[in-house]
Amino acid sequence: SYVLTQPPSVAVAPGKTASITCGGDDIATKSVHWYQHKPGQAPLLVLNYNAERPSGIPERFSGSNSGNTATLTISRVEAGDEADYYCQVWHSPRWLFGGGTELTVL
Amino acid sequence: EVQLVESGGGLVQPGRSLRLSCAASGFTFEDFAMHWVRRPPGKGLEWVSSISVKGGGIGYADSVTGRFTISRDDAKNSLFLQMNSLRVEDTAFYFCAKTFGGVIGNDAFDVWGQGTMVTVSS
Repeated sequence: SYVLTQPPSVAVAPGKTASITCGGDDIATKSVHWYQHKPGQAPLLVLNYNAERPSGIPERFSGSNSGNTATLTISRVEAGDEADYYCQVWHSPRWLFGGGTELTVL
Repeated sequence: EVQLVESGGGLVQPGRSLRLSCAASGFTFEDFAMHWVRRPPGKGLEWVSSISVKGGGIGYADSVTGRFTISRDDAKNSLFLQMNSLRVEDTAFYFCAKTFGGVIGNDAFDVWGQGTMVTVSS
């Protein structure tokens, strides 16, 4: 079965850059979506189709997808970016989420 | 404003049933595929089920196949999840979400509800 692997946690200082990876076999052949989830809130789509930002998502959020790794990059990290982040792919006939990465802003 | 509001969660004993609802507003509900996603306490997001426009395509996670049934009522702008034979491991926040298009695959989930908590315990 297809598995998406994310690091459990990433820590970064304010103003620095955070990179969250999502590993999967030949993931570059799939479209990867990324979500931000804060406690008590609805999950929020931050990137779709690897690198497209929905309306309202800051340019600080960017993405790439190559080989066996997709990456969500958050530039100039702010305290408000602290959350859990999930990658997602469609692996017919199922949707798959990565295990999630807890982003801590130091 | 595009909005999804879940309801129907609560405390239920193992083996019993529960029906979740998701009320949609602010968009043409019948034009979009819809999904249920859950997050168990201390764990990550897990896809549960999806339904395409007009219910033409339906999918379930292996963990709920045969126990959960997804449905939609386009006249009432509502999505449902009938959960039977509930297990302790079904305990989670349940979210409904819409997608960009009408089919259950490929397009991201662009709008989510706040979720409803389901606790399965004796």
